[in-house]
This record gives sequence, structure tokens and C-alpha cells, in this order.
Amino acid sequence: GQSLEQPSEVTAVEGAIVQINCTYQTSGFYGLSWYQQHDGGAPTFLSYNALDGLEETGRFSSFLSRSDSYGYLLLQELQMKDSASYFCAVRTAGGFKTIFGAGTRLFVKA
Amino acid sequence: DVKVTQSSRYLVKRTGEKVFLECVQDMDHENMFWYRQDPGLGLRLIYFSYDVKMKEKGDIPEGYSVSREKKERFSLILESASTNQTSMYLCASSPFRGKGENQPQHFGDGTRLSIL
Repeated sequence: GQSLEQPSEVTAVEGAIVQINCTYQTSGFYGLSWYQQHDGGAPTFLSYNALDGLEETGRFSSFLSRSDSYGYLLLQELQMKDSASYFCAVRTAGGFKTIFGAGTRLFVKA
Repeated sequence: DVKVTQSSRYLVKRTGEKVFLECVQDMDHENMFWYRQDPGLGLRLIYFSYDVKMKEKGDIPEGYSVSREKKERFSLILESASTNQTSMYLCASSPFRGKGENQPQHFGDGTRLSIL
């Protein structure tokens, strides 16, 4: 079957760096994406990796290793507003379908 | 700005009712999706559509059907609602892009559906 594994919860302090890992097992791979969802809100797109390596967007970076079926989201200079759920997602099945992980709940403490 | 609008934020229905959830996007996107979100399970794909009148089953299509008569509108139908369909339902749309290109999904605010 197809699956994405990510930790259920991560806690970090304000100003710190946190890494959220994602391993995937899918049939076909078109790219790994990350989404953020605040409580009561809609998921919003953060980043996308199709090729191996690091993509940086401000305080957020995302990494992909296709040979290891592994990626991570790196959040730097954590702020209280970063407290949210983060989902990794793999685009697969000919490019039409996206499979989401169960999500990682990030708690940022003062 | 990108906009995906779901017809209801909260909905309460009774077991056995036929329920319609509507979703409209204003971005001329080819792809549209319906997910349900339950605690600890993430987003699970119910159905998706990559063109008008086209539909494909996702991972959990049982008990659901969809309709896409116009490009901007994608409807989810619960044929005979049951209590295990109580959930948050999220609609999303995306442009279609080729392999290696980003195809971000834009989500609506969700419909919290309760089946009593």
C-alpha cells in the first residue's frame, strides 16, 4: 500500500530550529509538498520538492532525498504563530493524485 | 487572490438523508478534490476530478459520489448519510502541471458535517 510517515507531535521553544521528517512509500512519485494548517483553518501550501536537495523560502526550508524516500521540513527562528499542524504530501498516480501524511502537530513554547 | 468556497461551514443532517456539499473555485483550475479530515488520520482523498464530467475514486469513495458539470464546481454527495460520515470535509483545487512542476492545492475553509 501507499503510506507517508511523520511524527505525530513535536515541541520546541520560540527562536529555536525544528525539523519535521517524512518518509514515504508510494507508487509513482511526482514530488513532495508541505502544508500548514492552523486550528480551525484550511491547509495552506508551504513548499515543494521534485528534485533532491534543499529548497529555502524565508524561515522555512524543505529537503528531499528520492533515493531514501525521505524528506523534511525545517523551521528556523520559531515563532508562536508557527504552532500548527504540518502535513507532508506526495503527488503520485500519474500526477493527478496527492496522498497526505497524518500530520505533525507543532507546539511552540515561550 | 485564489478562492475556494464551500457552501456551508457547519451542517447537521440525519441518518439516511441525502447530503450535498458544494465547492466552487474561481481560478479556472483543472483539478478538484474532496477530502475528509479526521483526528490522527490526516487528509484522506474521497474523489478527485481532472476535467469537467471526469471523476476518479480516491482512497475512501464508499458511500460517496461526486458531480462536476462545470469546471468551477465540484459537488460531493452522501447518498444515504451514516454516523460514521461525521467529519470535516475539505475541498481543494489545483492547476494541472507536468512532472517535476509544482501543483499546489488550494483549500476551502471546510464543512464540519455532523450526522445524527
